Amino acid sequence: GNSVTQMEGPVTLSEEAFLTINCTYTATGYPSLFWYVQYPGEGLQLLLKATKADDKGSNKGFEATYRKETTSFHLEKGSVQVSDSAVYFCALTNDYKLSFGAGTTVTVRA
Amino acid sequence: KAGVTQTPRYLIKTRGQQVTLSCSPISGHRSVSWYQQTPGQGLQFLFEYFSETQRNKGNFPGRFSGRQFSNSRSEMNVSTLELGDSALYLCASKALAGTDTQYFGPGTRLTVL
Repeated sequence: GNSVTQMEGPVTLSEEAFLTINCTYTATGYPSLFWYVQYPGEGLQLLLKATKADDKGSNKGFEATYRKETTSFHLEKGSVQVSDSAVYFCALTNDYKLSFGAGTTVTVRA
Repeated sequence: KAGVTQTPRYLIKTRGQQVTLSCSPISGHRSVSWYQQTPGQGLQFLFEYFSETQRNKGNFPGRFSGRQFSNSRSEMNVSTLELGDSALYLCASKALAGTDTQYFGPGTRLTVL
């Protein structure tokens, strides 16, 4: 079956630091890959996606590249802000449902 | 375009009661999926509805059920509530069935006492 493994948190950073959250997956076929973000007390917001190998998804300064050879989809941001504090979920789908990683809590300090 | 809406946002129930949660998808979206989020189990798929038919179901007991109306709005029902049903219930909509991108609502926080 499908599974997603993402780096465990929590991650604490200072403003303007570089953020990387590792995500690897196991799936049959050619899944679509996603990063969702969840702010306190809210639902999931789609951050970015990639639907085929070597695609790069990007949004709000975040980027992730679909690497089929390493089955990875690592999330990066060059300079984080306090407002980036949230829980980040890596997810995939190759059928009707999303399979999620456990989530990584990121806290950015001013 | 308005996003996915869920009502109510918060619910408190006692064991043995039943509850109904509502979800209105993005206009034009025909597929609605439900997920349960708990600290212990993370995000788990409950079921998916498309064109008023349940297309897929996750590994949850029969106490969890749902339906979809002709306007694509969906309801989820949990009967005979247990303490372990306390969770954030998230609804997601997508335009088509299959691997289309899912957009989530704000969730309904259910607390069972």
